[in-house]
Amino acid sequence: QSALTQPASVSGSPGQSITISCTGTSSDVGSYNLVSWYQQDPGKAPKLMIYEGSKRPSGVSNRFSGSKSGNSASLTISGLQAEDEADYYCCSYAGGSTWVFGGGTKLTV
Amino acid sequence: EVQLVQSGAEVKKSGESLKISCNGSGYRFTSYWIGWVRQMPGKGLEWMGFISPGDSDATYSPSFQGQVTISADRSISTAYLQWSSLKASDTAIYYCARRGNDDYYSIAYWGQGTLVTVSS
Repeated sequence: QSALTQPASVSGSPGQSITISCTGTSSDVGSYNLVSWYQQDPGKAPKLMIYEGSKRPSGVSNRFSGSKSGNSASLTISGLQAEDEADYYCCSYAGGSTWVFGGGTKLTV
Repeated sequence: EVQLVQSGAEVKKSGESLKISCNGSGYRFTSYWIGWVRQMPGKGLEWMGFISPGDSDATYSPSFQGQVTISADRSISTAYLQWSSLKASDTAIYYCARRGNDDYYSIAYWGQGTLVTVSS
């Protein structure tokens, strides 16, 4: 069970949009529309930003959106703000009551 | 309010045993799975496994099967992660985590993390 593949880093300017990709396999991302995305600030616990591929929990800004195509999922952040600078992780259900995370992406604004 | 409160930081030596805890409050403990996630220094998140406190059924990621034991005590709403013989490579922050109210497959609630430092 290998980690999902994410770019190590992405960057953008305030107001711009960025997309973080998350590539898995037909056994995880491709088999289930159950990708979630987490934001982690330094020294803090992760925070759920997107679940079931594209749903936003209450309280998460609508600037965050998620999508999936085939074995890949994406997180898009529009209208970048300085406070969005953090590490982002994707996670997919992989069957058999197991989950797999991506390696994480450092977003620089 | 849902809260997951973890036990404090631990400093251990290789070969020692350890059990860290995660107390859940603000909800029915037996109704939601509790998972454990490892984060090694400067690295990403890794899914270790989870337990259904209602029946104490634990499932492990293949990478952690046989390396740790996940358990729960329903009477005190507490989940545990334990090692019988620590290695230096077990040095990490360990988070307990709970699924969302309406979503079985994502982590809506996180503990504050427990730093485990293992010296050789």
